[in-house]
Amino acid sequence: DAKTTQPNSMESNEEEPVHLPCNHSTISGTDYIHWYRQLPSQGPEYVIHGLTSNVNNRMASLAIAEDRKSSTLILHRATLRDAAVYYCILRADYKLSFGAGTTVTVRA
Amino acid sequence: DAGVIQSPRHEVTEMGQEVTLRCKPISGHNSLFWYRQTMMRGLELLIYFNNNVPIDDSGMPEDRFSAKMPNASFSTLKIQPSEPRDSAVYFCASSPSTGGWGTEAFFGQGTRLTVV
Repeated sequence: DAKTTQPNSMESNEEEPVHLPCNHSTISGTDYIHWYRQLPSQGPEYVIHGLTSNVNNRMASLAIAEDRKSSTLILHRATLRDAAVYYCILRADYKLSFGAGTTVTVRA
Repeated sequence: DAGVIQSPRHEVTEMGQEVTLRCKPISGHNSLFWYRQTMMRGLELLIYFNNNVPIDDSGMPEDRFSAKMPNASFSTLKIQPSEPRDSAVYFCASSPSTGGWGTEAFFGQGTRLTVV
């Protein structure tokens, strides 16, 4: 499985943007970049995914580097409810392989 | 849709007992996954079904674990006999087959298993 590297933790203030980096230097042309998050005591929740172009949805934006070796998940205005573990995953087949993720803390 | 439904939410059992975890995927989804989450190992894929057929069970820890999907709306994960090291949160997830690997997977709330 192609690997991703994420910081262990990040802190943010409420209503400020959060930029979560992910490095995936060994990405292949068929790998989709997926982001999931896991709130405390809940199952993982889909956030966003992309292949080559930047993507936006109601939850977040995904900025993909031109060479696709890195990406950034952007939460535009963090709320307390966004405190969670965020996972960056490369997906080329049925597998979703979760690493340790980034633990995001949001300060009120 | 109510999402992926797992039962029970919590299970406490004694070592050596049989444990059965249940999952109802989202209607119309062809892919079903069982994951296990522990502090030490994180989220691990145990088994993957497509159209009710087990495709990849390489993540199943040992013969004590078995999974079935008798129809498109129901799957079970059974542990017999259970051991304390099986204590974990078990998640079921489903996803549609259309859209390839760019589709999202929907996870249930999980079953927290404690084996004493």
